[in-house]
This record gives sequence, C-alpha cells and structure tokens, in this order.
Amino acid sequence: QSALTQPRSVSGSPGQSVTISCTGTSSDVGGYNYVSWYQQHPGKAPKLMIYDVSKRPSGVPDRFSGSKSGNTASLTISGLQAEDEADYYCCSYAGSPLFGGGTKLTVL
Amino acid sequence: QVQLQESGPGLVKPSQTLSLTCTVSGGSISSGSYYWSWIRQPAGKGLEWIGRIYTSGSTNYNPSLKSRVTISVDTSKNQFSLKLSSVTAADTAVYYCARGGGRPFDPWGQGTLVTVSS
Repeated sequence: QSALTQPRSVSGSPGQSVTISCTGTSSDVGGYNYVSWYQQHPGKAPKLMIYDVSKRPSGVPDRFSGSKSGNTASLTISGLQAEDEADYYCCSYAGSPLFGGGTKLTVL
Repeated sequence: QVQLQESGPGLVKPSQTLSLTCTVSGGSISSGSYYWSWIRQPAGKGLEWIGRIYTSGSTNYNPSLKSRVTISVDTSKNQFSLKLSSVTAADTAVYYCARGGGRPFDPWGQGTLVTVSS
C-alpha cells in the first residue's frame, strides 16, 4: 500500500479558510467512510480532529470540517487562527490503516 | 478519561529487539470493543501504522513490518506491548501507542523516542 497523497504545505492568513486534500484510491479513501484527520504540533502527539470523514470529536472547534468526494477527502479549516499552524495527517481505513504523508499548515 | 503512556529503552543496538510497553490508565483495556495500536514516526517524516491488537489477543500487522513485529496484551496489568526484531537505523523513530485500530486512533500516548545505534 502506498501512502495517501497530501500537499506538502498550505498557508493562509488569519481569518481565512484553507483546505487540505488527501487523495487515495477506490480501495481506501473511496471505498470506506473511515477517513480521519490528525493535528500535530511540533514535539507533540497527534490529536484527532475529524473521524468518519466529517464527524468532530467533542472539544474540536466547528471551524474544522471534513468531506469526501470520490477518492479524495478534504479537511477545511475556516477562520484560521495562529494556533492552527501545525502538521495535518489524513488516515484511511482500507482493511488496515493508511496515513497520508502530512501537510504543513502555515498561518501567515 | 483514558490516557496512554509508552515506556521502554530509548537506545537499542542494531540487530537486537526493540521492546516497548503502553500502560493504559483511566479505564480498563478490556472494556469496550477497542483495538490498541502502535504507530511510529521517524524524525521529520510522516506516521506509519505498525500494528494493532484486540483485547481478545487477535492481531493485525502492517505487511511491510509483519515478519518482525509482535504485539501482545496483558489485561491484568492494563498494558499492551510491542516487540520489533532485527532492528536497523531505519527503525529509529518516535513510537506512539493509541487506542483504536484506525477507525480512528484516539487518544494517543505522548510518544517515546527509540534510537537504533551501536
């Protein structure tokens, strides 16, 4: 299995919206509604932000939303804040879990 | 709430076996229908799922590591463990334990750095 494809970096200004894509195949992203997204600040453990494509765990701001179309899942962060600057990883369940390569979000 | 904590040697010699333990607190490892997983992250790189165990003892491993990985559970100690044999420098990474089998992973331990070096 190859890693899911994410852009290496994205950026946005405070208050703007950004979208991070996660592209797989019909055998993983396209075949299951089990896409999750994780936020990781430097030196910290990943934190679950979205699961089952679009569900938010308790405590995650509603500025974070997830969606999927075909073989591509997306994480959208609206109303960007400085603390959103982090690495973001997608994960799809394809019989076994498969991560994306990660995207560095820079808040300008 | 459930918390996880990794422990084990931070330095392992090449060709030896890496052994880590994850201690679960705030809840029983046997309660609920959960898998428990190991995930690793080399410095500056992405996340790689290593494998998972169900409380029944059933396991699944990443095919790329399957020949070298063993995950076990000790419900009496509320712990699960990872053994990775024949390690090389490429196995140097931060190792995380997490609840879940990928649908999703939550929560995660804080991670522990394991360096493979002579």
